[in-house]
Amino acid sequence: NAGVTQTPKFRVLKTGQSMTLLCAQDMNHEYMYWYRQDPGMGLRLIHYSVGEGTTAKGEVPDGYNVSRLKKQNFLLGLESAAPSQTSVYFCASRYGLVDTQTQYFGPGTRLLVL
Amino acid sequence: AQRVTQPEKLLSVFKGAPVELKCNYSYSGSPELFWYVQYSRQRLQLLLRHISRESIKGFTADLNKGETSFHLKKPFAQEEDSAMYYCALKGGSEKLVFGKGTKLTVNP
Repeated sequence: NAGVTQTPKFRVLKTGQSMTLLCAQDMNHEYMYWYRQDPGMGLRLIHYSVGEGTTAKGEVPDGYNVSRLKKQNFLLGLESAAPSQTSVYFCASRYGLVDTQTQYFGPGTRLLVL
Repeated sequence: AQRVTQPEKLLSVFKGAPVELKCNYSYSGSPELFWYVQYSRQRLQLLLRHISRESIKGFTADLNKGETSFHLKKPFAQEEDSAMYYCALKGGSEKLVFGKGTKLTVNP
């Protein structure tokens, strides 16, 4: 099993450009999450999904959109990138059972917005 | 509101010394607490969770509801313990709330 994978690993964007980050998991997990990690801020939840076709806002959703068309994929979109979105983005997933709260993380995507 | 506070951004100890990473939380209900660790150039991974009551890599953490704390402890730190440590809380919602992290450096 590859676990949780993220594409791309690194990207440089100009202000105003758009891009999509892809998260894929092969563990048949119901729940998927997108976080951003910034120095001194820890991990902050952007959006999450509790199942195929459903998404919900997290702590810092502004400027981002997500889609979960397939159970194994969770896409994070930036329609018009801003320098404030320079960050490391982590995807995570977990089983949907109440007693399995452990989240499994991807390797991260480093995004630089100029 | 759910909140996790890790008061130390940086913590430096010598090899063989005891180490304690502090975590305090704010939540009115019964929380689930976790410690995640991120080694250099690696992904975030679960270290331990309070309901498991287990010791992983020599680390333990006890939930103290009276003091609303979930401090991570190890009696004898090793150089390979150097990493970023995040305390996380799951309350009534689906979301995990993370602290800002503590960077642990274990010096030889």
